[in-house]
Amino acid sequence: DAGVTQSPTHLIKTRGQQVTLRCSPKSGHDTVSWYQQALGQGPQFIFQYYEEEERQRGNFPDRFSGHQFPNYSSELNVNALLLGDSALYLCASSTRGQNQETQYFGPGTRLLVL
Amino acid sequence: QQQVKQSPQSLIVQKGGISIINCAYENTAFDYFPWYQQFPGKGPALLIAIRPDVSEKKEGRFTISFNKSAKQFSLHIMDSQPGDSATYFCAASRNRLNTGFQKLVFGTGTRLLVSP
Repeated sequence: DAGVTQSPTHLIKTRGQQVTLRCSPKSGHDTVSWYQQALGQGPQFIFQYYEEEERQRGNFPDRFSGHQFPNYSSELNVNALLLGDSALYLCASSTRGQNQETQYFGPGTRLLVL
Repeated sequence: QQQVKQSPQSLIVQKGGISIINCAYENTAFDYFPWYQQFPGKGPALLIAIRPDVSEKKEGRFTISFNKSAKQFSLHIMDSQPGDSATYFCAASRNRLNTGFQKLVFGTGTRLLVSP
């Protein structure tokens, strides 16, 4: 049973560029959440997708946007990259519903903005 | 605004000893408290979790103690091993408006080193 997968593993971009990160959830999961983890910090919630709609959003600017596809996979897009966007971007999958709060994380995409 | 406070920031324990990491939360609406283990270059892996209707949960060498009145919970690692050396994060979440959607709020992490 494949767990959560993310691509690419590493990415280097320049300030002002745009980036797209991809995530495939664990088999049987229908909800995808994205988190940003700065070096030495805990993950911070960006947003969550279910049935191809954004359901919750954290305190991140509109430069951060996402998408979920019919097969439950998801993309995170960041526009106009800033140096401060350098971080590990984590995707987590889960199943919506009562007592289904367990989130499983992928290995992350390490983004470096120069 | 940090809703989950974690301590200590780092911890060194001898092999065979007990590692204890503490967390405190502010939002009484939280109803799920997981602990994650993260190795360098990897994503967080769920270790153990507890709901507020029990005061303790044990899985192997890992135990969560939960104090609802104090709004605190802790992770105990018994017989700590060098392979336990990692960063540990506590987290909390709540079932938003009973929609089934939950987001995790993480602590700042504890870097554990178990010396041989």
